[in-house]
Amino acid sequence: QSALTQPASVSGSPGQSITISCTGTSSDVGGYNYVSWYQQHPGKAPELMIYDVSNRPSGVSNRFSGSKSGNTASLTISGLQAEDEADYYCSSYTSSSTWVFGGGTKLTVL
Amino acid sequence: QLQLQESGPGLVKASETLSLTCTVSGGSISTSGYYWGWIRQPPGKGLEWIGNIHNNGRSTYYNPSLKSRVTISVDTSKNQFSLKLSSVTAADTAVYYCARRIESTSHRDHWGQGTLVTVSS
Repeated sequence: QSALTQPASVSGSPGQSITISCTGTSSDVGGYNYVSWYQQHPGKAPELMIYDVSNRPSGVSNRFSGSKSGNTASLTISGLQAEDEADYYCSSYTSSSTWVFGGGTKLTVL
Repeated sequence: QLQLQESGPGLVKASETLSLTCTVSGGSISTSGYYWGWIRQPPGKGLEWIGNIHNNGRSTYYNPSLKSRVTISVDTSKNQFSLKLSSVTAADTAVYYCARRIESTSHRDHWGQGTLVTVSS
């Protein structure tokens, strides 16, 4: 199975909004609403930010939102804050009953 | 508060078997409706899903690229689940995380802190 495709890096200024894309195929992202997004700060375990395309776990800021169109899922962070600077990974269920991650996107808050 | 904690050797010799255990506290591993799994991250690289096992201890799913070398099992008496990866090489050097996922969702809600395993030649 191939990793999902994410941009290597994105950046934005405090207060702005950014969007990170996650492109797969009809056998993963496009075929199921089982896409999740994780935030990872250096040296820390990943933290779930979005699950099932657009659901936020309890405690996650509503500045984080998720969506999907066709084979591409997206994570949008609005009102960027310095603490949002981290690596972000998408993940999807696949038609083989397995899971696949994206390559990761480094978010820089300018 | 559910907590997961990985444990095992931090150094494994090439060609040998990597063995890790994830101990679950604050809840029962037998509670229905969950999958227990392993994810790894080579130094400076991205996340890779290794596999998972249902709380019934019978249904297992593995990354096709690792399937021939991986076994995940559950020990309900110890409230633990384990990972065995055979014939390791330097490419298996990574931080290994255990995690819980709610069945029929992508909600992987609890993670261990991760443990670094280095494969030496």
